[in-house]
Amino acid sequence: RKEVEQDPGPFNVPEGATVAFNCTYSNSASQSFFWYRQDCRKEPKLLMSVYSSGNEDGRFTAQLNRASQYISLLIRDSKLSDSATYLCVAHNNDMRFGAGTRLTVKP
Amino acid sequence: ETGVTQSPTHLIKTRGQQVTLRCSSQSGHNTVSWYQQALGQGPQFIFQYYREEENGRGNFPPRFSGLQFPNYSSELNVNALELDDSALYLCASSSNSGGPYNEQFFGPGTRLTVL
Repeated sequence: RKEVEQDPGPFNVPEGATVAFNCTYSNSASQSFFWYRQDCRKEPKLLMSVYSSGNEDGRFTAQLNRASQYISLLIRDSKLSDSATYLCVAHNNDMRFGAGTRLTVKP
Repeated sequence: ETGVTQSPTHLIKTRGQQVTLRCSSQSGHNTVSWYQQALGQGPQFIFQYYREEENGRGNFPPRFSGLQFPNYSSELNVNALELDDSALYLCASSSNSGGPYNEQFFGPGTRLTVL
């Protein structure tokens, strides 16, 4: 079993849609959590950190449930430029990435 | 751009050969982490170097080794290449300030193909 599991995707949504990604992690000692975005054939880039209280950055909202070892990312009012692979990360001494979920936003 | 550079961008090797990949960290960063990303997968942690010493290692065999230099740049060496070593190799630099997490900035990666 992988340490970080994500929705397999792909997600194909129209512009303006709301889309949610889910992620679970198995190491209860994980201390920090993140969502990274990776465009095709590019390096991953930090999208946002995820805190116990949850956090919001514009159209993006991240939630963490430590009891269930579950992380989510909600994207509202999807834009064409949101098309990418979204990687869930749990950190405890080192970064453990999920396999990623591909999102395609269509006109 | 992050300021993290990697070379070469692409590389083709044959099974059994050895390869060295290079990474220059962002100015002011003293920590470099290396990752292997196979097609369709997330990055897998190989190891991390902090102040020229290995500071954590993932589940990779000893034929994966590394170095960090006094200027904090780093090398990843892979011996006895196998077909499954074909992947994108990413390095990420960060500044170890002693806290639980220090944001990592990724380089563009080196795409290695083993034939």
